[in-house]
Amino acid sequence: DADVTQTPRNRITKTGKRIMLECSQTKGHDRMYWYRQDPGLGLQLIYYSFDVKDINKGEISDGYSVSRQAQAKFSLSLESAIPNQTALYFCATSGSFVDTQYFGPGTRLTVL
Amino acid sequence: GENVEQHPSTLSVQEGDSAVIKCTYSDSASNYFPWYKQELGKRPQLIIDIRSNVGEKKDQRIAVTLNKTAKHFSLHITETQPEDSAVYFCAARSSNYQLIWGAGTKLIIKP
Repeated sequence: DADVTQTPRNRITKTGKRIMLECSQTKGHDRMYWYRQDPGLGLQLIYYSFDVKDINKGEISDGYSVSRQAQAKFSLSLESAIPNQTALYFCATSGSFVDTQYFGPGTRLTVL
Repeated sequence: GENVEQHPSTLSVQEGDSAVIKCTYSDSASNYFPWYKQELGKRPQLIIDIRSNVGEKKDQRIAVTLNKTAKHFSLHITETQPEDSAVYFCAARSSNYQLIWGAGTKLIIKP
């Protein structure tokens, strides 16, 4: 779904580095989400935002922070990356009255 | 806390046969249950969903059933084809509008 984009698509970084993952959407949706996917564990919610002034922690927010710069942009930061944050990260969006979540293409992050 | 259990973790079926994936949820207030398909290297995409006021929903070869009393729902795929091979995720919407996800089922279609 080209309406939800993520940058970068792949990133290799070192332990202790700060890194930012970015998500943009042209769907006009209010709600945006950051998920982490590890093999065999499904999708785990990191943070979510229901509008520009609303930020909520998900089930695994420790070690992460987010910024909702505009309705269309939602960034995820790893303050000090550690190897067990190596995973596939997905951004998703949904409308206020529509339950379907639309996912971006994912960012594969490797922390050495 | 709220959780969704999904079984089996891997399912291998002969092409043309049916496949059934089952999920159980814990939050009795959940009222929306989507199923997503994730092909290898791609993003999850919605394939079908059901709301708590409906017991069954069909879309061509795919159907979902919901048993609110037992708090479980299932995905049924009939006449499986090679392109059905993927990982399937169930989810349940919690009372604070988050989706709680199952761990996924890898469906393998054998030729």
